Amino acid sequence: ERRLVESGGALAQPGESLRVSCEASGFTFTSYNMNWVRQAPGKGLEWISFVSSDNSRVEYADSVKGRFTISRDNARNSVYLQMNSLRGEDTAVYYCARDPEAFCSGGSCHGRLDFWGQGTQVTVSS
Amino acid sequence: QSLLAQPPSVSAAPGQKVTISCSGSSSNIENNDVCWYQHLPGTAPKLLIYDDSERPSEIPDRFSASKSGTSATLAIAGLQSDDEADYYCGTWDSSLSEGGLYVFGTGTRVTVL
Repeated sequence: ERRLVESGGALAQPGESLRVSCEASGFTFTSYNMNWVRQAPGKGLEWISFVSSDNSRVEYADSVKGRFTISRDNARNSVYLQMNSLRGEDTAVYYCARDPEAFCSGGSCHGRLDFWGQGTQVTVSS
Repeated sequence: QSLLAQPPSVSAAPGQKVTISCSGSSSNIENNDVCWYQHLPGTAPKLLIYDDSERPSEIPDRFSASKSGTSATLAIAGLQSDDEADYYCGTWDSSLSEGGLYVFGTGTRVTVL
């Protein structure tokens, strides 16, 4: 059975750091690109970061660029999101999601977030 | 502010059909694969549609989608009570980065009357 299990969510104060993790099982982790997506209270889904299957490419949304760092450890079947300089607006449920084929070619991009974890709550408040 | 606009809500009686629009631009919907996701808050979002109109094998054919130019549409036929959820379109936007960045629509709440 395929699984993505997020962990590490917690209450943090503004300016603090937190690392959330996502552990995969039940599928070949190294065949998938990985993403982090979040949902703030009362808001929609927001894509925030991507790492390619071989760690060669990372991307960030402007809202977290320079503060968050995505990484993956293929030996541990895990992807991480290091979150620094946390702000109140970072309060959200954080989901990891896999993508089997994220690539751009000939001016057209392809991919799909085909399986998601249940999420982990991050709350930033003093 | 999302680059992909969706209506905040749609509703219909059980058994009826609803459609949800997703309006974008040439840098996202028109030239990139569109997906649709179903999400009940607090649960894992689920992929309903990929490659503009393809369904994963486990998704019933009541769910269908299409794309024309800078807009995409999701249709849900034979509406059921457990279709009550939030629905998001998603695609890449090639104006944000050379490799493209993923963007979601604003989301649409489907209510079964």
